[in-house]
Amino acid sequence: EAQVTQNPRYLITVTGKKLTVTCSQNMNHEYMSWYRQDPGLGLRQIYYSMNVEVTDKGDVPEGYKVSRKEKRNFPLILESPSPNQTSLYFCASKAFGGKGAEAFFGQGTRLTVV
Amino acid sequence: QKEVEQNSGPLSVPEGAIASLNCTYSDRGSQSFFWYRQYSGKSPELIMSIYSNGDKEDGRFTAQLNKASQYVSLLIRDSQPSDSATYLCAGRAINAGGTSYGKLTFGQGTILTVHP
Repeated sequence: EAQVTQNPRYLITVTGKKLTVTCSQNMNHEYMSWYRQDPGLGLRQIYYSMNVEVTDKGDVPEGYKVSRKEKRNFPLILESPSPNQTSLYFCASKAFGGKGAEAFFGQGTRLTVV
Repeated sequence: QKEVEQNSGPLSVPEGAIASLNCTYSDRGSQSFFWYRQYSGKSPELIMSIYSNGDKEDGRFTAQLNKASQYVSLLIRDSQPSDSATYLCAGRAINAGGTSYGKLTFGQGTILTVHP
């Protein structure tokens, strides 16, 4: 089954404690991206990657890091989480070519930073 | 100013009516537009894509794009209670090569409720 898998689904952490949210897709997609969703703000893109070792900033990259060492994985790293990073996070992917949008989203990770 | 703006709603329509959702965008470089549906607690689901001026129909859904006026709309005919969800409009600029990649910008979403 084609899917994007995020882990963990829920995470409560303390300010300043480094964490990683993993994202993996099994469709051999070149393009992967991370979004955060906050009430009244819709989804905002954090980072995206067009292929292995190619990443770029989205609208809200501050406080986040990403890496793309393998095609299937695109982890999101918060090196020093703060309460304003409390949010619902989604990973998504699509094939590189064509005009299409991300059609495959992970299940979401609800992060709370206290 | 947000690059993609939606009527924040909420929008409430009776079952069987036409629901009309609207979106405007400010970046004239945006060429690809998408509508997603998101049920509470779930991931966004892509329901329509539109790239050219005019209408695109898919079942009960019709997407409309007017690049001169910089707006995108989604019509849902014969609305059903199962259509109750948040609808997200998104836009992306196409590069010179004609493929679409890079930043995807979403509106804030419109909550639709279809009541029996």
